[in-house]
Amino acid sequence: EVQLVESGGGFIQPGGSLRLSCAASGFTVSSNYMSWVRQAPGKGLESVSVIYSSGDAYYADSVKGRFTISRDNSENTLFLQMNSLRAEDTAVYYCARASAAAAGYFFDYWGQGALVTVSS
Amino acid sequence: EIVLTQSPATLSLSPGERATLSCRASQSVSRYLAWYQQKPGQAPRLLIYDTSNRATGIPARFSGSGSGTDFTLTISSLEREDFAVYYCQHRSNWPLTFGGGTKVEIK
Repeated sequence: EVQLVESGGGFIQPGGSLRLSCAASGFTVSSNYMSWVRQAPGKGLESVSVIYSSGDAYYADSVKGRFTISRDNSENTLFLQMNSLRAEDTAVYYCARASAAAAGYFFDYWGQGALVTVSS
Repeated sequence: EIVLTQSPATLSLSPGERATLSCRASQSVSRYLAWYQQKPGQAPRLLIYDTSNRATGIPARFSGSGSGTDFTLTISSLEREDFAVYYCQHRSNWPLTFGGGTKVEIK
Protein backbone atom coordinates (compact mmCIF):
# COMPACT_ATOMS: atom_id res chain seq x y z
CA GLU A 1 0.00 0.00 0.00
CA VAL A 2 1.32 3.43 -0.97
CA GLN A 3 1.66 5.84 1.95
CA LEU A 4 3.23 9.27 2.42
CA VAL A 5 3.74 10.58 5.95
CA GLU A 6 4.97 14.14 6.48
CA SER A 7 6.66 15.45 9.59
CA GLY A 8 8.67 18.46 10.69
CA GLY A 9 6.06 21.18 10.59
CA GLY A 10 5.64 23.67 13.39
CA PHE A 11 5.76 27.26 14.54
CA ILE A 12 8.78 29.32 13.52
CA GLN A 13 9.73 32.98 13.61
CA PRO A 14 10.36 34.93 10.41
CA GLY A 15 13.87 34.32 9.12
CA GLY A 16 14.03 30.87 10.67
CA SER A 17 14.49 27.45 9.10
CA LEU A 18 12.56 24.20 9.09
CA ARG A 19 13.03 20.87 7.36
CA LEU A 20 10.01 18.87 6.30
CA SER A 21 10.25 15.13 5.80
CA CYS A 22 7.99 12.83 3.83
CA ALA A 23 8.47 9.14 4.53
CA ALA A 24 7.25 6.96 1.70
CA SER A 25 6.21 3.32 1.71
CA GLY A 26 4.86 1.01 -0.95
CA PHE A 27 6.95 2.52 -3.75
CA THR A 28 10.44 3.92 -4.41
CA VAL A 29 10.80 7.69 -4.09
CA SER A 30 13.84 7.87 -6.36
CA SER A 31 11.99 6.16 -9.20
CA ASN A 32 9.15 8.68 -9.20
CA TYR A 33 8.58 12.36 -9.66
CA MET A 34 7.85 13.85 -6.24
CA SER A 35 6.61 17.26 -5.28
CA TRP A 36 5.76 19.59 -2.43
CA VAL A 37 2.47 21.43 -2.76
CA ARG A 38 1.31 23.98 -0.21
CA GLN A 39 -2.00 25.50 0.76
CA ALA A 40 -2.21 28.71 2.75
CA PRO A 41 -5.11 28.90 5.24
CA GLY A 42 -8.38 29.19 3.34
CA LYS A 43 -6.60 29.43 0.00
CA GLY A 44 -5.90 27.28 -3.03
CA LEU A 45 -3.05 24.96 -3.96
CA GLU A 46 0.46 26.04 -5.00
CA SER A 47 3.23 23.83 -6.37
CA VAL A 48 6.37 24.69 -4.42
CA SER A 49 8.97 22.30 -5.78
CA VAL A 50 9.40 19.12 -7.77
CA ILE A 51 12.19 16.58 -8.10
CA TYR A 52 12.33 14.17 -10.99
CA SER A 53 13.72 10.65 -10.93
CA SER A 54 16.77 12.08 -12.73
CA GLY A 55 17.42 14.36 -9.75
CA ASP A 56 16.52 17.54 -11.62
CA ALA A 57 14.60 19.92 -9.39
CA TYR A 58 12.44 22.98 -9.97
CA TYR A 59 11.11 25.64 -7.64
CA ALA A 60 8.35 28.21 -7.61
CA ASP A 61 9.68 31.75 -7.97
CA SER A 62 8.28 32.54 -4.52
CA VAL A 63 10.67 30.08 -2.84
CA LYS A 64 13.64 29.94 -5.23
CA GLY A 65 16.91 30.43 -3.38
CA ARG A 66 15.30 29.76 0.00
CA PHE A 67 13.89 26.20 -0.28
CA THR A 68 15.71 23.03 -1.32
CA ILE A 69 14.08 19.74 -2.24
CA SER A 70 16.05 16.52 -1.79
CA ARG A 71 15.63 12.84 -1.16
CA ASP A 72 17.36 10.08 0.76
CA ASN A 73 17.19 6.91 -1.26
CA SER A 74 18.27 4.67 1.61
CA GLU A 75 15.45 6.01 3.80
CA ASN A 76 12.98 6.34 0.90
CA THR A 77 12.23 9.83 2.15
CA LEU A 78 11.64 13.21 0.51
CA PHE A 79 12.73 16.44 2.20
CA LEU A 80 12.07 20.15 1.91
CA GLN A 81 14.63 22.41 3.57
CA MET A 82 13.05 25.80 4.12
CA ASN A 83 15.29 28.75 5.01
CA SER A 84 14.64 32.48 5.47
CA LEU A 85 11.00 31.75 6.18
CA ARG A 86 8.45 34.52 5.74
CA ALA A 87 4.92 35.01 7.03
CA GLU A 88 3.60 34.28 3.54
CA ASP A 89 5.13 30.78 3.72
CA THR A 90 2.52 29.87 6.35
CA ALA A 91 0.61 26.92 4.91
CA VAL A 92 -0.10 23.23 5.04
CA TYR A 93 2.63 21.52 3.06
CA TYR A 94 1.74 18.31 1.25
CA CYS A 95 4.15 15.90 -0.36
CA ALA A 96 2.74 14.18 -3.39
CA ARG A 97 3.75 11.48 -5.83
CA ALA A 98 3.27 11.83 -9.56
CA SER A 99 2.95 8.48 -11.25
CA ALA A 100 3.47 8.15 -14.98
CA ALA A 101 1.85 4.74 -15.20
CA ALA A 102 -1.13 5.30 -12.93
CA ALA A 103 -1.85 8.98 -13.43
CA GLY A 104 -0.01 10.45 -16.39
CA TYR A 105 2.45 12.32 -14.15
CA PHE A 106 -0.31 13.90 -12.07
CA PHE A 107 -0.45 13.56 -8.28
CA ASP A 108 -2.10 10.27 -7.41
CA TYR A 109 -0.95 9.99 -3.78
CA TRP A 110 -0.70 12.74 -1.19
CA GLY A 111 0.46 12.89 2.40
CA GLN A 112 -1.75 14.14 5.20
CA GLY A 113 -0.02 17.53 5.26
CA ALA A 114 2.31 19.34 7.66
CA LEU A 115 1.34 22.75 9.00
CA VAL A 116 4.04 25.41 8.95
CA THR A 117 3.25 28.65 10.76
CA VAL A 118 5.65 31.57 10.39
CA SER A 119 4.95 34.34 12.85
CA SER A 120 6.64 36.57 15.37
CA GLU B 1 3.30 30.86 -16.08
CA ILE B 2 0.07 29.30 -17.24
CA VAL B 3 -2.91 30.70 -15.37
CA LEU B 4 -5.90 28.42 -14.86
CA THR B 5 -9.23 30.16 -14.26
CA GLN B 6 -12.06 28.12 -12.81
CA SER B 7 -15.71 29.00 -12.98
CA PRO B 8 -18.02 29.39 -11.28
CA ALA B 9 -16.40 30.05 -7.92
CA THR B 10 -19.38 28.44 -6.19
CA LEU B 11 -21.99 26.07 -7.53
CA SER B 12 -25.12 25.52 -5.44
CA LEU B 13 -26.90 22.33 -6.40
CA SER B 14 -29.06 19.58 -4.93
CA PRO B 15 -28.19 15.88 -4.69
CA GLY B 16 -29.06 14.15 -7.93
CA GLU B 17 -28.43 17.22 -10.07
CA ARG B 18 -25.74 17.50 -12.73
CA ALA B 19 -22.66 19.63 -12.00
CA THR B 20 -20.61 21.25 -14.75
CA LEU B 21 -17.32 22.88 -13.74
CA SER B 22 -15.10 24.86 -16.08
CA CYS B 23 -11.34 25.42 -16.22
CA ARG B 24 -9.79 27.78 -18.75
CA ALA B 25 -6.04 27.99 -19.38
CA SER B 26 -4.23 31.18 -20.41
CA GLN B 27 -2.42 29.18 -23.10
CA SER B 28 -2.74 25.67 -24.49
CA VAL B 29 -1.94 22.81 -22.14
CA SER B 30 -2.79 20.22 -24.80
CA ARG B 31 -4.57 17.47 -22.84
CA TYR B 32 -2.30 17.72 -19.79
CA LEU B 33 -4.97 18.68 -17.32
CA ALA B 34 -6.21 17.02 -14.14
CA TRP B 35 -9.04 17.54 -11.67
CA TYR B 36 -8.84 17.05 -7.91
CA GLN B 37 -11.46 16.98 -5.17
CA GLN B 38 -10.69 18.36 -1.72
CA LYS B 39 -12.81 18.12 1.39
CA PRO B 40 -12.18 20.17 4.56
CA GLY B 41 -9.14 18.98 6.49
CA GLN B 42 -8.16 16.47 3.83
CA ALA B 43 -5.54 16.28 1.13
CA PRO B 44 -6.69 16.63 -2.47
CA ARG B 45 -7.77 13.47 -4.28
CA LEU B 46 -7.06 12.91 -7.96
CA LEU B 47 -10.25 12.38 -9.95
CA ILE B 48 -9.35 12.85 -13.60
CA TYR B 49 -5.98 13.04 -15.39
CA ASP B 50 -4.99 13.80 -18.97
CA THR B 51 -8.36 15.54 -19.45
CA SER B 52 -10.60 12.49 -19.44
CA ASN B 53 -9.01 9.49 -17.70
CA ARG B 54 -10.57 8.56 -14.40
CA ALA B 55 -8.08 7.79 -11.65
CA THR B 56 -8.19 4.47 -9.86
CA GLY B 57 -11.37 3.97 -7.87
CA ILE B 58 -13.16 7.09 -9.14
CA PRO B 59 -16.86 6.50 -9.89
CA ALA B 60 -18.16 6.74 -13.44
CA ARG B 61 -20.35 9.73 -12.58
CA PHE B 62 -17.18 11.85 -12.83
CA SER B 63 -16.09 12.68 -16.37
CA GLY B 64 -13.76 15.16 -17.99
CA SER B 65 -13.53 16.70 -21.42
CA GLY B 66 -11.80 19.42 -23.40
CA SER B 67 -8.46 20.22 -24.96
CA GLY B 68 -6.13 23.15 -25.50
CA THR B 69 -7.46 25.89 -23.25
CA ASP B 70 -11.01 24.87 -22.28
CA PHE B 71 -11.84 21.97 -20.01
CA THR B 72 -14.89 20.68 -18.20
CA LEU B 73 -15.48 18.38 -15.25
CA THR B 74 -18.95 16.91 -15.16
CA ILE B 75 -20.56 15.10 -12.25
CA SER B 76 -23.59 13.43 -13.78
CA SER B 77 -25.67 13.05 -10.61
CA LEU B 78 -24.40 14.55 -7.38
CA GLU B 79 -24.08 12.32 -4.36
CA ARG B 80 -23.85 13.86 -0.89
CA GLU B 81 -20.16 12.96 -0.67
CA ASP B 82 -19.43 15.00 -3.81
CA PHE B 83 -20.00 18.34 -2.11
CA ALA B 84 -16.44 19.67 -1.89
CA VAL B 85 -13.96 21.99 -3.58
CA TYR B 86 -12.63 21.02 -7.01
CA TYR B 87 -9.31 22.15 -8.49
CA CYS B 88 -7.89 21.80 -11.97
CA GLN B 89 -4.12 21.52 -12.55
CA HIS B 90 -1.91 21.42 -15.62
CA ARG B 91 1.44 19.75 -16.12
CA SER B 92 2.31 21.25 -19.49
CA ASN B 93 5.42 22.96 -18.13
CA TRP B 94 6.91 24.32 -14.91
CA PRO B 95 5.57 25.88 -12.86
CA LEU B 96 2.70 23.47 -12.48
CA THR B 97 -0.28 25.57 -11.54
CA PHE B 98 -3.71 24.98 -10.08
CA GLY B 99 -6.92 26.82 -10.67
CA GLY B 100 -8.49 28.81 -7.87
CA GLY B 101 -11.12 26.15 -7.20
CA THR B 102 -14.86 25.69 -7.52
CA LYS B 103 -16.85 24.97 -4.39
CA VAL B 104 -19.81 22.68 -4.97
CA GLU B 105 -22.24 23.28 -2.14
CA ILE B 106 -25.59 21.88 -1.19
CA LYS B 107 -28.48 24.08 -2.24
